[in-house]
Amino acid sequence: EAQVTQNPRYLITVTGKKLTVTCSQNMNHEYMSWYRQDPGLGLRQIYYSMNVEVTDKGDVPEGYKVSRKEKRNFPLILESPSPNQTSLYFCASSLRGPYSTDTQYFGPGTRLTVL
Amino acid sequence: GDSVTQMEGPVTLSEEAFLTINCTYTATGYPSLFWYVQYPGEGLQLLLKATKADDKGSNKGFEATYRKETTSFHLEKGSVQVSDSAVYFCALRGVIIQGAQKLVFGQGTRLTINP
Repeated sequence: EAQVTQNPRYLITVTGKKLTVTCSQNMNHEYMSWYRQDPGLGLRQIYYSMNVEVTDKGDVPEGYKVSRKEKRNFPLILESPSPNQTSLYFCASSLRGPYSTDTQYFGPGTRLTVL
Repeated sequence: GDSVTQMEGPVTLSEEAFLTINCTYTATGYPSLFWYVQYPGEGLQLLLKATKADDKGSNKGFEATYRKETTSFHLEKGSVQVSDSAVYFCALRGVIIQGAQKLVFGQGTRLTINP
């Protein structure tokens, strides 16, 4: 089954404790991205990746890191989480990057609470 | 920059009622427009899309027409069901900037259908 998976689905942590949210897709997609969803703000893009070893900042990259060592994986890293990073996070992927009308597929979401 | 504005929620309707969720956008050039749906506890799924002016996207009884003259992409359904209860996001993919395939989302509209 074609899908985007995220782990964990739920996480409660404390300020300053490094964490990683994993994202994996099994569709051989080139393009992957991370969004955060906050009430009244919709989804905002954190980082995106056009392909392996190619990543760039989205609209709200502060406090986050990403890596793209393999095509299928795109982990989101919070080196020192803070309470303002409490949010619902979505990973998404699509077959190709720009100049295409490919659909983005979303993962099920990771609800993160930083105390 | 590009932006999407959706009608404020939440919206509560009775089963078989007519649904309209308004969406207007601001963008340079000719964006592609999308409606995504998020069912409780799940990630976003593409509901329908339109890639040029006057296109009509449709799926599962939902429709939306790309109106360039009014910069709108309103979502409609003639007879809603309880299973349509979800959060609906309007989104656009605008002008490619530095190779970025970026989706800009509205804030989301929560729809509840009562039996």
